[in-house]
Amino acid sequence: GQQVMQIPQYQHVQEGEDFTTYCNSSTTLSNIQWYKQRPGGHPVFLIQLVKSGEVKKQKRLTFQFGEAKKNSSLHITATQTTDVGTYFCAGVGSARQLTFGSGTQLTVLP
Amino acid sequence: DAGVIQSPRHEVTEMGQEVTLRCKPISGHNSLFWYRQTMMRGLELLIYFNNNVPIDDSGMPEDRFSAKMPNASFSTLKIQPSEPRDSAVYFCASSLGQGNSPLHFGNGTRLTVT
Repeated sequence: GQQVMQIPQYQHVQEGEDFTTYCNSSTTLSNIQWYKQRPGGHPVFLIQLVKSGEVKKQKRLTFQFGEAKKNSSLHITATQTTDVGTYFCAGVGSARQLTFGSGTQLTVLP
Repeated sequence: DAGVIQSPRHEVTEMGQEVTLRCKPISGHNSLFWYRQTMMRGLELLIYFNNNVPIDDSGMPEDRFSAKMPNASFSTLKIQPSEPRDSAVYFCASSLGQGNSPLHFGNGTRLTVT
């Protein structure tokens, strides 16, 4: 079955440093979604990428979809304490099912 | 937009008791998902419905778990009998379709089985 791997599992950064999380799928994806879950909260949809090589930006967040549509990344520039949480990628494969990665838990130290 | 509504927010029960979790999806959404989240296993898809019909229940751990969606605005996840290893946060999510539509999650039910 489809597997979506996400690294790193944990990341601690000093406020103002950059942060990147990577997502890799065992199969080609039709699209990939990113979610953020604050501590004690629920996953909240951030963005969806559909096209090969697509890059989208949301303020300090940059999302990329690989050329082969099997990997993706989320980069945060100059992290802030409000960025704390767990970031999940979720890929949609040929079976049109959404598979979540294991998430990257980001801690931002003030 | 009220969002996905789950109840109860917290449930503490003793081993062997029946537990029923409830979910009201966003009006107009035709797909509904039940997820379980634990530290060890992360977010696991238990079952999902499309147009009130169960499509994939391969994630349901065992026969103690059952889910129903009697109409487009209500779903339940039942555990009978409950066991301590069922302790987790259970999320319900809904979306406009399958695959390409983002999921809208409820606030979750934190279940503790003692």
